[in-house]
Amino acid sequence: DMQMTQSPSSLSASVGDRVTITCRASLVISNYLAWYQQKPGKVPKLLIYSASTLQSGVPSRFRGSGSGTDFTLTISSLQPEDVATYYCQNYNDAPLTFGGGTKVEIK
Amino acid sequence: EVQLVESGGGLVQPGGSLRLSCAASGFTFSTYTMGWVRQAPGKGLEWVSDINSSGERTYYADSVKGRFAISRDNSKSTLYLQMNSLRAEDTAAYYCAKAKSSGSSYDYWGQGTLVTVSS
Repeated sequence: DMQMTQSPSSLSASVGDRVTITCRASLVISNYLAWYQQKPGKVPKLLIYSASTLQSGVPSRFRGSGSGTDFTLTISSLQPEDVATYYCQNYNDAPLTFGGGTKVEIK
Repeated sequence: EVQLVESGGGLVQPGGSLRLSCAASGFTFSTYTMGWVRQAPGKGLEWVSDINSSGERTYYADSVKGRFAISRDNSKSTLYLQMNSLRAEDTAAYYCAKAKSSGSSYDYWGQGTLVTVSS
């Protein structure tokens, strides 16, 4: 079965820092990869789909890249409102597996 | 405005059943794939099931296959999840989600309904 491995599982960075989260698929999924942000106590929100396409309304400091099995979510300048857990999701084929999540905190 | 409102959660004993509903509005429900995603307390997201726009094709996570059944009533703009043979590990918030298109990511999510399986 498909496995989605995110790293790191958590990170702490300063406001203004560049933050990078990686997601590795156990099988090739082309660019069928989405990134979600879930703030504490809130519902997940779609940030990026098709590996690199920004969902409408999402700040441009979020950037997705990658194809095949290796993907990256980059926050170019971390803001206090970016404190959240970030999840990748494969939607190439069922099961539409989520990664384990990366918790981002402010140092 | 897209709205997804789940209902039907609650406390159920192991081995019991529940049916979740998700009332959709603000978009043409009958033209979109829909899905269920769950999140156990303090844990990550787990995809549960998807159904295509017509309801003819359904997909399940291995953890619920044979126990859960997804369905939809396009005339009522409502998504369902019938959950049978419930186990303690099914305890979670269950989110209804709308796909951007067939076989796609989820662009709208409901607020979730909590299912607790306990004796």
